[in-house]
Amino acid sequence: YELTQPPSLSVSPGQTASISCSGEKLGDKYSSWYQQKPGQSPILVIYQDNKRPSGIPERFSGSNSGNTATLTISGTQAMDEADYYCLAWHSGTVVFGGGTKLTVL
Amino acid sequence: EVLLLESGGGSVQPGGSLRLSCAASGFTFSSSAMTWVRQAPGKGLEWVSAINAGGTTTYYADSVKGRFTISRDNSKSTLFLQMESLTAGDTAVYFCTKGTSPAAIDSFAFWGQGTKVVVSS
Repeated sequence: YELTQPPSLSVSPGQTASISCSGEKLGDKYSSWYQQKPGQSPILVIYQDNKRPSGIPERFSGSNSGNTATLTISGTQAMDEADYYCLAWHSGTVVFGGGTKLTVL
Repeated sequence: EVLLLESGGGSVQPGGSLRLSCAASGFTFSSSAMTWVRQAPGKGLEWVSAINAGGTTTYYADSVKGRFTISRDNSKSTLFLQMESLTAGDTAVYFCTKGTSPAAIDSFAFWGQGTKVVVSS
């Protein structure tokens, strides 16, 4: 099972960033999203498709339907520049997407 | 505060073995499923293995099945990963993670700082 993400995405500060994650019937599974900055451990930003852990800003939101899960960052800030990974559980294993490098410029 | 502290990483020759540990605190370890995730240099995240709270059910990625063994000591709040027959492809930072709920092994709310494993001759 594979989860496909765009390798990179660039947005201007204040714009909306939408990062996609595609997989067969992904909408039938729960997805989660992780933010990782260079040299740091990943941070969970969305779980169970659209839930935000405490401490995660409201500008982070998620959706999942059909074959695509989407992480949306509204009003993107410079501090949101990072790698983002999606994840889903499939047949007894966890699958990560390849990651998307978000550049804010 | 949830804390996960990995240790045991280092350099090892191909074919060698290594045992990673993860000391947990700040939550009821004996009630929580746990997971190992790794990241090769410059690469993405890769799920490695998971174990339920009681240690009776384990899961492995195909890439490590038959070579790695996950286990836990609930009396010491410690998670382990025994790694055998190591290859260069196992070179990575290994993270210990805890799920968003006690039984969760499909979303990881807490991560350790990672321990680095280098397999090289």
